[in-house]
Amino acid sequence: DTAVSQTPKYLVTQMGNDKSIKCEQNLGHDTMYWYKQDSKKFLKIMFSYNNKELIINETVPNRFSPKSPDKAHLNLHINSLELGDSAVYFCASGGRERKDGYTFGSGTRLTVV
Amino acid sequence: AQSVTQLGSHVSVSEGALVLLRCNYSSSVPPYLFWYVQYPNQGLQLLLKYTSAATLVKGINGFEAEFKKSETSFHLTKPSAHMSDAAEYFCALGSGNTGKLIFGQGTTLQVKP
Repeated sequence: DTAVSQTPKYLVTQMGNDKSIKCEQNLGHDTMYWYKQDSKKFLKIMFSYNNKELIINETVPNRFSPKSPDKAHLNLHINSLELGDSAVYFCASGGRERKDGYTFGSGTRLTVV
Repeated sequence: AQSVTQLGSHVSVSEGALVLLRCNYSSSVPPYLFWYVQYPNQGLQLLLKYTSAATLVKGINGFEAEFKKSETSFHLTKPSAHMSDAAEYFCALGSGNTGKLIFGQGTTLQVKP
């Protein structure tokens, strides 16, 4: 029973399209995150939600919009996809405190052509 | 500002040799530190974490790390490398009161037969 599941695992799409990535966790955590991993494998936080409330919104283009219908789900919608959006996107869940760390999903590899 | 630096983007060892992956941090508050491992095409898995209890932390798969405040370091070690240890390793620092993790640049561990 997967703790943090993301769908789809792979996503290939054309520039200008709109796409969504879904994430669900069954760990009972209050906080969920989206991270972007670039081609050099660097991980950078994008968003964080705590019990459906946005608490972290790093410098991310407005084309990226997270949505959390409940604390077990955090989806990522991307409008007008660009070539530079190609990356692996990871969802994670964890506690609100620094000491808790995260449980990661297996990632969504987005390729924009 | 809080930051994490992993020294050496690529480390190569022979099977059975000692593994040493270096991580230094900068934090204005007592740190919480983590090591994650990422196998090819997979998500990140928690290896171990330091949360201000014992300075020598044991993790999964025979890995351990020692927190040294005077050196602001949290290096990861394993006495004897296995081929299955080949992966990407990330050091991370718990930041602020939002649960946000700041990741180092990652170190690729290659294990030669």
